[in-house]
Amino acid sequence: GQSLEQPSEVTAVEGAIVQINCTYQTSGFYGLSWYQQHDGGAPTFLSYNALDGLEETGRFSSFLSRSDSYGYLLLQELQMKDSASYFCAVRDQGNQGGKLIFGQGTELSVKP
Amino acid sequence: DSGVTQTPKHLITATGQRVTLRCSPRSGDLSVYWYQQSLDQGLQFLIQYYNGEERAKGNILERFSAQQFPDLHSELNLSSLELGDSALYFCASSVSGVPGELFFGEGSRLTVL
Repeated sequence: GQSLEQPSEVTAVEGAIVQINCTYQTSGFYGLSWYQQHDGGAPTFLSYNALDGLEETGRFSSFLSRSDSYGYLLLQELQMKDSASYFCAVRDQGNQGGKLIFGQGTELSVKP
Repeated sequence: DSGVTQTPKHLITATGQRVTLRCSPRSGDLSVYWYQQSLDQGLQFLIQYYNGEERAKGNILERFSAQQFPDLHSELNLSSLELGDSALYFCASSVSGVPGELFFGEGSRLTVL
């Protein structure tokens, strides 16, 4: 089977740093993506890791350890607008346009 | 705006009925994906098309079917609807060769009464 595990909810204060973890067990692995979704809106792409290590994009960073089947999304200098659901997703095929398998999502609440 | 267009945005229908959801991918994107999101749940992969051909299938019910047309737009057909089919249905498209990044439409919210 295929499964991705992430915490269901996380709470942090404005200006703080928060880390959302994701562990996965899939039949194939070609990379780990992160998506943000506000209130049932369209999920939007944040980052993608195919190789081990840290990828940084502004206030957001994403990390991958393939040997541990583990990754995380790090959000720094939290803002109220970061309150949303965050999904990790595994690309399980290497062919053109491989599909993504999504986790259940982590709801992040940022408090003032 | 992702460039992916889905219609209708909202749909209310009765059990036993059939509906069709439509998706127009971003210009130039060959892959189309359909996902189902029930209340407070993750995104469940349904089916993927690439340039008109079915590429991958997830846990899509037999009552559901989809196709991608020569102009690359796609339709998801849901029949014999049940209360549990009420959900957000998202379409996404991707650029071939760019891994991990899907562009999602705003979704079609289906309510079955």
